[in-house]
Amino acid sequence: AQKITQTQPGMFVQEKEAVTLDCTYDTSDQSYGLFWYKQPSSGEMIFLIYQGSYDEQNATEGRYSLNFQKARKSANLVISASQLGDSAMYFCAMRSSGSARQLTFGSGTQLTVLP
Amino acid sequence: DGGITQSPKYLFRKEGQNVTLSCEQNLNHDAMYWYRQDPGQGLRLIYYSQIVNDFQKGDIAEGYSVSREKKESFPLTVTSAQKNPTAFYLCASSIPGGRVEQYFGPGTRLTVT
Repeated sequence: AQKITQTQPGMFVQEKEAVTLDCTYDTSDQSYGLFWYKQPSSGEMIFLIYQGSYDEQNATEGRYSLNFQKARKSANLVISASQLGDSAMYFCAMRSSGSARQLTFGSGTQLTVLP
Repeated sequence: DGGITQSPKYLFRKEGQNVTLSCEQNLNHDAMYWYRQDPGQGLRLIYYSQIVNDFQKGDIAEGYSVSREKKESFPLTVTSAQKNPTAFYLCASSIPGGRVEQYFGPGTRLTVT
């Protein structure tokens, strides 16, 4: 069984500073993918970044980067230069190599960016 | 524009009534998914479908039913057998492929009293 753990229910960061949101995972699969989604108060899920288990380099998408440490089974999201609009719930998710490709989500981290 | 439509945004029902949540996509995606989200929690998979006329149970399928008669549509029925139906329901779709994310609809917030 797969499991995603996000140990930070809430985080605060000052505007323009960087913040790291933690995510650890547990799987027996060799091939898997890790995703981060942002959920604003409106409820929609916005895809941010993806990391494949065989990717040698950490993924980056604009101000988002993923600190992937395979041996430690961690996939932390780093947001640089935080903006007020970054205030939202952030979810880490994993997809197995199975054919169904459904996602397993963590419990999320509520990020608040302070002016 | 391509995307996923869920309607309505808010839905209210009396206990004991079945209710159907709609999900329509024009992304030409083969796979569709239904998730449930409770306050302060992550998403849990209810049902998924990889192809028309085929679907599988997810982690919390009890009290729910689905159909996939068309590629574009994947309606979810919350039956009276679902003990705690009040929740936020999200529909998603994707294409086959390892690096591809799921696209989500705006969600339906169901309240049963």
